[in-house]
Amino acid sequence: GQNIDQPTEMTATEGAIVQINCTYQTSGFNGLFWYQQHAGEAPTFLSYNVLDGLEEKGRFSSFLSRSKGYSYLLLKELQMKDSASYLCAVIDSNYQLIWGAGTKLIIKP
Amino acid sequence: DVKVTQSSRYLVKRTGEKVFLECVQDMDHENMFWYRQDPGLGLRLIYFSYDVKMKEKGDIPEGYSVSREKKERFSLILESASTNQTSMYLCASSFSREVSQPQHFGDGTRLSIL
Repeated sequence: GQNIDQPTEMTATEGAIVQINCTYQTSGFNGLFWYQQHAGEAPTFLSYNVLDGLEEKGRFSSFLSRSKGYSYLLLKELQMKDSASYLCAVIDSNYQLIWGAGTKLIIKP
Repeated sequence: DVKVTQSSRYLVKRTGEKVFLECVQDMDHENMFWYRQDPGLGLRLIYFSYDVKMKEKGDIPEGYSVSREKKERFSLILESASTNQTSMYLCASSFSREVSQPQHFGDGTRLSIL
């Protein structure tokens, strides 16, 4: 079967750094997305990785290792507004999106 | 910015009713999707469409149907609502089938079936 694993919940402190991991076992791989979803709102696109390595976008970076079936989202200089759920999704060999259950990130002052 | 608009944020219906959820996107996107989101589960794809009048089943189509008569509008229909269809429903669109194209989501409809 196809599976995406993410921690259910994480807590971090304002101003700190947090890494949210995503591991996947899918039939094939054609890319990985990260989305942010604030409570009661739409998921919004953060990043797309298809090649190994780190992609940096301001305070947010996303890393991919295809050989390990692993990705992480790194959030630096955390702000209270970063409190949200972070969703990992993988495109499989049939070009279908497989979604993780999401990681709820709680930022404390 | 892409705008995906879902007709209702909250909806309460009774068991056995026929329920219509409407979704409109304003960026001429080819692809549209309907998901449901339940606690502890990833988004689950109900139906999707790559073109007008075209529809494809997703992972959990049972009990649902869809309609895409115009490019900008994608409707989800619960033929005879049941309590296990109580959920958050999310509509999304994307520009093309290019895999790197992200999906853009509406704010969701929280549907309760009593």
